Amino acid sequence: NAGVMQNPRHLVRRRGQEARLRCSPMKGHSHVYWYRQLPEEGLKFMVYLQKENIIDESGMPKERFSAEFPKEGPSILRIQQVVRGDSAAYFCASSLNGGSEQYFGPGTRLTVT
Amino acid sequence: AQTVTQSQPEMSVQEAETVTLSCTYDTSESDYYLFWYKQPPSRQMILVIRQEAYKQQNATENRFSVNFQKAAKSFSLKISDSQLGDAAMYFCAYRSALSVGTGNQFYFGTGTSLTVIP
Repeated sequence: NAGVMQNPRHLVRRRGQEARLRCSPMKGHSHVYWYRQLPEEGLKFMVYLQKENIIDESGMPKERFSAEFPKEGPSILRIQQVVRGDSAAYFCASSLNGGSEQYFGPGTRLTVT
Repeated sequence: AQTVTQSQPEMSVQEAETVTLSCTYDTSESDYYLFWYKQPPSRQMILVIRQEAYKQQNATENRFSVNFQKAAKSFSLKISDSQLGDAAMYFCAYRSALSVGTGNQFYFGTGTSLTVIP
């Protein structure tokens, strides 16, 4: 019974490149949440998706960031033209439905050089 | 918006002793959940304990217990018989009890770094 999986676990990008972070929810889960943890801070909500729909993106930066959760395959958090300030740990969590327990993945550590 | 405050950036405790981590929150909702998560150096978020706001009884999980004061909006974590493996960052978190739409996300505090002294 695999938990939430994220890959890669570590990602290094140069300024201006694109970063793609993947999240495979737990089996049977159709709700995914993305959180960002900046150094020395707690996790902050970015976006909430269901299959093929963005439900709440109130925590997403307005530019360069996008997220999707297609009918098939993992959820993708995409960061275009990365800057040093994007260096952080990005966590996803999944749940069976909107009100049920969320389970966290191990996170992806993004470093922008 | 809901806010969660952890006023102790760092705490330390002697092995086998008891330590209490503080958390306060602000919300206008009456039904919600509160959580304590542990984050070791691996960065994995590990659920320690969960409390439902409508339950008056304080949650307990083995050596971990909470003191939930709803009127004061306080949710502290007590770790008894501290062990070396308890050393980690501890995050307090709030989540609405809404079942649909927006508002299901977690709101986290800034964390307390716990050191356990042998």
